[in-house]
Amino acid sequence: GIQVEQSPPDLILQEGANSTLRCNFSDSVNNLQWFHQNPWGQLINLFYIPSGTKQNGRLSATTVATERYSLLYISSSQTTDSGVYFCAVVRYSSASKIIFGSGTRLSIRP
Amino acid sequence: EPEVTQTPSHQVTQMGQEVILRCVPISNHLYFYWYRQILGQKVEFLVSFYNNEISEKSEIFDDQFSVERPDGSNFTLKIRSTKLEDSAMYFCASSEVSNNSPLHFGNGTRLTVT
Repeated sequence: GIQVEQSPPDLILQEGANSTLRCNFSDSVNNLQWFHQNPWGQLINLFYIPSGTKQNGRLSATTVATERYSLLYISSSQTTDSGVYFCAVVRYSSASKIIFGSGTRLSIRP
Repeated sequence: EPEVTQTPSHQVTQMGQEVILRCVPISNHLYFYWYRQILGQKVEFLVSFYNNEISEKSEIFDDQFSVERPDGSNFTLKIRSTKLEDSAMYFCASSEVSNNSPLHFGNGTRLTVT
């Protein structure tokens, strides 16, 4: 099946710093989502981005489908950005399930 | 904004007991899913459901698990005889169509088996 790899696995930053999280996938995909899992365990949908670039406030994401990767950018980090960021993909041949990467654990220090 | 709701938020049960986890998907969505996340690990697919039947299930979803849509709004996951290793966060999700629309997740039910 399709493999989803995220890097780095852990990232510790000072408040105000910028960060880039990467998601590589092993095969072409038809759907890609970024999620933030907050300290309470909730999965917050950040972006639905099978291709192209989207921005939402301090967050933006770019997916280059032909090169099989996606990037999540967080600018001017705040302590509330802490948590685990997951990339998840769907491929038509596995039509009815979304496959998660292992996540990047982001810790923002005040 | 409509959301997926899950109840209870936390369930504690003894090994061997049956549990039912409940979900109310977004009303116009047609595809429903259950996922599981053992503490500190990645989110794993369990089962997908469409048109009142299972469309796909993972190797985790063995005979101890079942899903049901008992009425027009609820979607349930039943674990017949819980084991310690079933302790995890269980997420319900729904989507409008299977492949090209985003999945919306509920806040999860944390199941603790003692």
